[in-house]
Amino acid sequence: SQTIHQWPATLVQPVGSPLSLECTVEGTSNPNLYWYRQAAGRGLQLLFYSVGIGQISSEVPQNLSASRPQDRQFILSSKKLLLSDSGFYLCAWRDTGDTEAFFGQGTRLTVV
Amino acid sequence: AQSVTQLDSHVSVSEGTPVLLRCNYSSSYSPSLFWYVQHPNKGLQLLLKYTSAATLVKGINGFEAEFKKSETSFHLTKPSAHMSDAAEYFCVVTIPNSGGYQKVTFGTGTKLQVIP
Repeated sequence: SQTIHQWPATLVQPVGSPLSLECTVEGTSNPNLYWYRQAAGRGLQLLFYSVGIGQISSEVPQNLSASRPQDRQFILSSKKLLLSDSGFYLCAWRDTGDTEAFFGQGTRLTVV
Repeated sequence: AQSVTQLDSHVSVSEGTPVLLRCNYSSSYSPSLFWYVQHPNKGLQLLLKYTSAATLVKGINGFEAEFKKSETSFHLTKPSAHMSDAAEYFCVVTIPNSGGYQKVTFGTGTKLQVIP
């Protein structure tokens, strides 16, 4: 069966520090991968999606970047965090051609 | 372009009474529609999905939703609320694009409060 792992679950980082959130998927190959952010009082916002290794599409301009160094690994990064980067980040995957997406447990990021 | 509108940001019901969470969508193509639930500081869990089969979809925990094309709606209902239903609920629409990628659009969420 397929599983998705996202870590860490919670993170407190100072302003200006770097960020690296990792997401891995098991039990499938060549999945579509997504990073979403949920800010307080707002819905889920798509940040990045990837349809293959090294292929990253950004939905909104921001202080974050994403990379897909391996087929089932998706990394969300920042060189210098801003206070506005605080939020709940969710990684998701979906099989090509399927409609349902599967989500990780999320990372609560607090930038102080 | 597709969009999803969840008409209520907060819904409060008494335990044992019916739940109605409203969702309207717009899409130029035949959409797939989903409801997800998110408990505090947890990931998203799929409640149910509509993918062009039966218009009345039954999900987990007693929830169901009806796809009404004429009203472009996909409202989530439950006959009797339980305390454990208190959570945030997201309506989601996906459509395929020309590149084979399915664009996933979330509603802004509805927080359900259940009063004992």
